[in-house]
Amino acid sequence: NAGVTQTPKFQVLKTGQSMTLQCAQDMNHEYMSWYRQDPGMGLRLIHYSVGAGITDQGEVPNGYNVSRSTTEDFPLRLLSAAPSQTSVYFCASSLWGASGVSDEQFFGPGTRLTVL
Amino acid sequence: AQRVTQPEKLLSVFKGAPVELKCNYSYSGSPELFWYVQYSRQRLQLLLRHISRESIKGFTADLNKGETSFHLKKPFAQEEDSAMYYCALRGSSASKIIFGSGTRLSIRP
Repeated sequence: NAGVTQTPKFQVLKTGQSMTLQCAQDMNHEYMSWYRQDPGMGLRLIHYSVGAGITDQGEVPNGYNVSRSTTEDFPLRLLSAAPSQTSVYFCASSLWGASGVSDEQFFGPGTRLTVL
Repeated sequence: AQRVTQPEKLLSVFKGAPVELKCNYSYSGSPELFWYVQYSRQRLQLLLRHISRESIKGFTADLNKGETSFHLKKPFAQEEDSAMYYCALRGSSASKIIFGSGTRLSIRP
């Protein structure tokens, strides 16, 4: 199993450009999420999904869109990139059950994004 | 509001010395707390969860509801413990896991 995969690994954008960060998992996890990691700020939740067709906002959703058309994929879209979105982005997946999201999140390797 | 606070950005100790990584939380209900670790060039991974009261790689963490803390401890640090450590909390809706700002642990030889 590949686990959680993310593409690209690195990306440089100019202000105003759009792009999609890809995330896929092959563990049949219902729950998927996106975090950004910034120095001194830790990991902050952007968006999450508890299943195909269901998404919700996290702590810092502004400037980002998500969709969940399949169980496996959870892309993150930046419609108009801003320098404040320079960060390392992590996708994670886990089981989802009666007690909510599993405490064991499986993380991808991350995407390092720079917005000039 | 749910919040996880890790007051130390960097903690540097000598090999063999005790380690304590601090974590405080703000939460109105019964919290579920965890420690995650990210070693160099590796993915972020779960280290331990308070509910299992287990010791992983010599690390333990006790939930203190009175002090709203969940500090991570190890009696004798090893060089391979050098990593980034995140304290995390599962929220009331059980649909989110909130992370702290992280502490970088550096073990000096």
